[in-house]
Amino acid sequence: EIVLTQSPGTLSLSPGERGTLSCRASQSVRSSYLAWYQQKSGQAPRLLIYGASRRATDIPHRFSGSGSGTDFTLTITRLEPEDSAVYYCQQYSQTPYTFGQGTKVEI
Amino acid sequence: QVQLVESGGGVTHPGTSLSLSCESIGLIFNDYDMHWVRQAPGKGLEWVAVIRHDGGKTTYVDSVRGRFTISRDNPKKSVYLQMNSLTVNDTGIYYCVADAGGSAFDHWGQGTLVAVSP
Repeated sequence: EIVLTQSPGTLSLSPGERGTLSCRASQSVRSSYLAWYQQKSGQAPRLLIYGASRRATDIPHRFSGSGSGTDFTLTITRLEPEDSAVYYCQQYSQTPYTFGQGTKVEI
Repeated sequence: QVQLVESGGGVTHPGTSLSLSCESIGLIFNDYDMHWVRQAPGKGLEWVAVIRHDGGKTTYVDSVRGRFTISRDNPKKSVYLQMNSLTVNDTGIYYCVADAGGSAFDHWGQGTLVAVSP
């Protein structure tokens, strides 16, 4: 099983700042099958990034993903109040598909 | 617009069974692998099971294997999760998720709550 460890646990930033979220895998994620999801309070998760760096449909350009192998990053430039949420990384290269424990972003 | 609508959740006791359903609207259902993902109260996301687009293969997380069964009916554009021998650790919101393959978990339902209480 691939274990994903996200850091930091909580990120407190001001509007307009840049947020950098990290996801480290216990083993290499094949074909960069790494995704990022945003979950706002009381809502279902929403796909932001897939394939480590590809933005999903209708996702603003201020969200970007990078990385390969075992180290991945989600960057949110010019944070907006609506970006307050918990962000999860996920590997979908092998079952069991696993999620990180989440990073809470407070704006 | 794609919608996934779950139903069948509720409150029950340990050792009992529940059956969840998920109907898709606006999705070319046959093209998608379908998953169930759950979230315990105040906790993170846990993948539970997947059934391939043609129903040919199913896979489960270890903690539910042998107790849960995922199935689908492509003409009805629906996926199901039969949950037997429920424990308190199965409590949570269960999300139905569609996956086009290679593009991660594209579409999520709003979830249905399963509460297993002694």
